Amino acid sequence: GQQVMQIPQYQHVQEGEDFTTYCNSSTTLSNIQWYKQRPGGHPVFLIQLVKSGEVKKQKRLTFQFGEAKKNSSLHITATQTTDVGTYFCAGSQGAQKLVFGQGTRLTINP
Amino acid sequence: KAGVTQTPRYLIKTRGQQVTLSCSPISGHRSVSWYQQTPGQGLQFLFEYFSETQRNKGNFPGRFSGRQFSNSRSEMNVSTLELGDSALYLCASSLEGGSTYEQYFGPGTRLTVT
Repeated sequence: GQQVMQIPQYQHVQEGEDFTTYCNSSTTLSNIQWYKQRPGGHPVFLIQLVKSGEVKKQKRLTFQFGEAKKNSSLHITATQTTDVGTYFCAGSQGAQKLVFGQGTRLTINP
Repeated sequence: KAGVTQTPRYLIKTRGQQVTLSCSPISGHRSVSWYQQTPGQGLQFLFEYFSETQRNKGNFPGRFSGRQFSNSRSEMNVSTLELGDSALYLCASSLEGGSTYEQYFGPGTRLTVT
């Protein structure tokens, strides 16, 4: 079945450092969504990418969708303690169910 | 607008019992999806309901079932509980469902099976 792999599983950074998480699929995705889950909380939608090569920015967060629509990345510039949490990507083929990656847990040393 | 609500928030059950979890979506949302979240397996899709019909289903045994009512509220049932069913069960509502609409997650129900 469809699988979405996400790396790394864990990332610890110093506050102010950059952070990147990668999402890879063996099949072409129709779209990809990114969610953030704070410790003890529930996933919250961040963004959706649909077009090949699409790049979207939200303040210090930059989201990219690969040209082949098989991979995506989330980059955070100059992390802050409020960025702590687990970041999930979720992709789908066509209008099928969303398949979530395993998530990347980000911890930050203030 | 009120968010997605789930009841109960915490539940402790014994192996072999059954359990019913409830989810009330955001007003106007017609799709409800259910996920199981465990530390080892991440977010696993259980099923999606749209307009009272199951539209998509994940790879879970038949012990896991669900339904949706005419007001879009949804319930999930797990019969013959096993220790491995201990997890956080999240429901998510979206406007039209499928994979192209953002999902709004509820706070989850933490199920512990002893």
